[in-house]
Amino acid sequence: KAGVTQTPRYLIKTRGQQVTLSCSPISGHRSVSWYQQTPGQGLQFLFEYFSETQRNKGNFPGRFSGRQFSNSRSEMNVSTLELGDSALYLCASSLQGESYNEQFFGPGTRLTVL
Amino acid sequence: DAKTTQPPSMDCAEGRAANLPCNHSTISGNEYVYWYRQIHSQGPQYIIHGLKNNETNEMASLIITEDRKSSTLILPHATLRDTAVYYCIVRGTDSWGKLQFGAGTQVVVTP
Repeated sequence: KAGVTQTPRYLIKTRGQQVTLSCSPISGHRSVSWYQQTPGQGLQFLFEYFSETQRNKGNFPGRFSGRQFSNSRSEMNVSTLELGDSALYLCASSLQGESYNEQFFGPGTRLTVL
Repeated sequence: DAKTTQPPSMDCAEGRAANLPCNHSTISGNEYVYWYRQIHSQGPQYIIHGLKNNETNEMASLIITEDRKSSTLILPHATLRDTAVYYCIVRGTDSWGKLQFGAGTQVVVTP
């Protein structure tokens, strides 16, 4: 079974631009979660989508948004990029997103904001 | 979700068992204990999880104390490829797709 895939793997943007990242979950998984990883803050939860609805949200500004499609694929968008948005963005999928469902992570998208 | 405490780092000799401790003294009855690891710049890798009973899979064993206030992840025969940051995470029923990562334990396996 194919794992979680994320595109693109690397991205360079400038301040003020916006960016869209894509995540394809494992087949059959309906929950998709997004995380940001930086050297200073570590791994932080952004939000989770299940059945095209945002079900859980971390403590990030409104510039960070996401959506999920009917095939469970998900995208996240960051608008008005700041230098501090440079990070590894990780996507994870699970069957239902329940506490007893393990999450499987993709390789991440490395975003650099200049 | 309950907070976890892990040692910041530990070394292990190749071929020996690595025992990684985790304290979660405020864990509640319906919260699961999860272990993940992250090799530099890769996505975290799921290792194992459990609720009350000890668990074993092809990667590792998870030993949870009877009072559930602590647990130990055991890598039975550490290899150089096991060098990674290991995260112990507690998840409650209202976590809805959220894993709360702490600083983890940096494990270095030496030849």
